[in-house]
Amino acid sequence: NAGVTQTPKFRVLKTGQSMTLLCAQDMNHEYMYWYRQDPGMGLRLIHYSVGEGTTAKGEVPDGYNVSRLKKQNFLLGLESAAPSQTSVYFCASRPRGRRFGELFFGEGSRLTVL
Amino acid sequence: ELKVEQNPLFLSMQEGKNYTIYCNYSTTSDRLYWYRQDPGKSLESLFVLLSNGAVKQEGRLMASLDTKARLSTLHITAAVHDLSATYFCAVDGLDRDDKIIFGKGTRLHILP
Repeated sequence: NAGVTQTPKFRVLKTGQSMTLLCAQDMNHEYMYWYRQDPGMGLRLIHYSVGEGTTAKGEVPDGYNVSRLKKQNFLLGLESAAPSQTSVYFCASRPRGRRFGELFFGEGSRLTVL
Repeated sequence: ELKVEQNPLFLSMQEGKNYTIYCNYSTTSDRLYWYRQDPGKSLESLFVLLSNGAVKQEGRLMASLDTKARLSTLHITAAVHDLSATYFCAVDGLDRDDKIIFGKGTRLHILP
């Protein structure tokens, strides 16, 4: 059981380039989240989705776009990368329902923008 | 808007000592999570607290939730070096918007 898988694991971009991070989960979870982690800042929520075809903004959405065309996949796009987007990105998922709660995380994707 | 504050942000302590990490949050919620992260790794779930007064314990770690005070604590008893890590609390925005917001984390360094 793979859980939450992020690709790629590492990427180096030049300023202005575009790229997409893919998050795939095989647990049939309804909710999916993208966070970025920077030193001293904890994890900050970029965008999230509560179901196929729906997305919503988090704390730091500017410069990113997302799509959830299939329940198992949540894509994070950078249209024109900036050095300020150098970070470690984590995807997470969880099932709907009050008795559940915890997030299941992927291993992270380290992005460097030169 | 949901805000989550952890303190301290950094803690260096001796093995065998006790200490507490605090997590305050700004809006009503009765669901709070604690995670552990080792350097270069992903986050590992430690505790899920789903109601006021909830208390969970695992080994030398104990977490509690007071929803009236909007406060959760993570207590470390007789610390050992293996507990050195960064600890995060995260608060669930519940039915309002399904956001889960993290604190900045507490980097715990336990000296042998």
